[in-house]
Amino acid sequence: DIVLTQSPATLSVTPGESVSLSCRASQGISTSIHWYQQKSNESPRLLIKYASQSISGIPSRFSGSGSGTDFTLSINRVESEDFSVYYCQQSYSLPLTFGSGTKLEIK
Amino acid sequence: EVQLQQSGAELVKPGASVKLSCKTSGYTFSNYYMSWLKQMPGQNIEWIGNIYGGNGGTGYNQKFKGKATLTVDKSSSTAYMDLSSLTSEDSAVYFCAREDNSGDYFDYWGQGVMVTVSS
Repeated sequence: DIVLTQSPATLSVTPGESVSLSCRASQGISTSIHWYQQKSNESPRLLIKYASQSISGIPSRFSGSGSGTDFTLSINRVESEDFSVYYCQQSYSLPLTFGSGTKLEIK
Repeated sequence: EVQLQQSGAELVKPGASVKLSCKTSGYTFSNYYMSWLKQMPGQNIEWIGNIYGGNGGTGYNQKFKGKATLTVDKSSSTAYMDLSSLTSEDSAVYFCAREDNSGDYFDYWGQGVMVTVSS
């Protein structure tokens, strides 16, 4: 199975700061990575597909980059509603797997 | 509007089975795969497997073979997951999620259902 390692586990920031969240795959997966946001007691929400492709209805402050083994989710000027957990997911090979998540919290 | 409505929370005894449902609306059920996923409290998300709404064809994560059985009822646009021989390790929130047409990511999710295994 492909292992996705997310870092950091927790990121403490002040609203208005810009942040980058990392997801590293255990083998090359091209751009087969997708990002989700999960707020407490809610279902995950798709933010970015195929490493960098935007999703309709998602604010433009969310962007993604990377290919191969290293991927980044960037949030430009974090807003209060962005404090939640972020997961990456790979679709390069079955079984589909997720990273362990990065919790974005208010400093 | 695409909607996935899951059944309510379950409290089940160890060794028992439970059947979860995911009733869909707002799209053509038979044209998409539905996946089921598990999330233990404070933990990672695990993919259990998927099922095609058109013909009921399934694919499972090896880890969940023998534990989960996926079925569909096309007439009611509903997907089901049976979980058998439940233990405390099966206590978790279970989500259904629609796969996009490529089968690569999940574009719509159910609200999740909490299954608690306890005597």
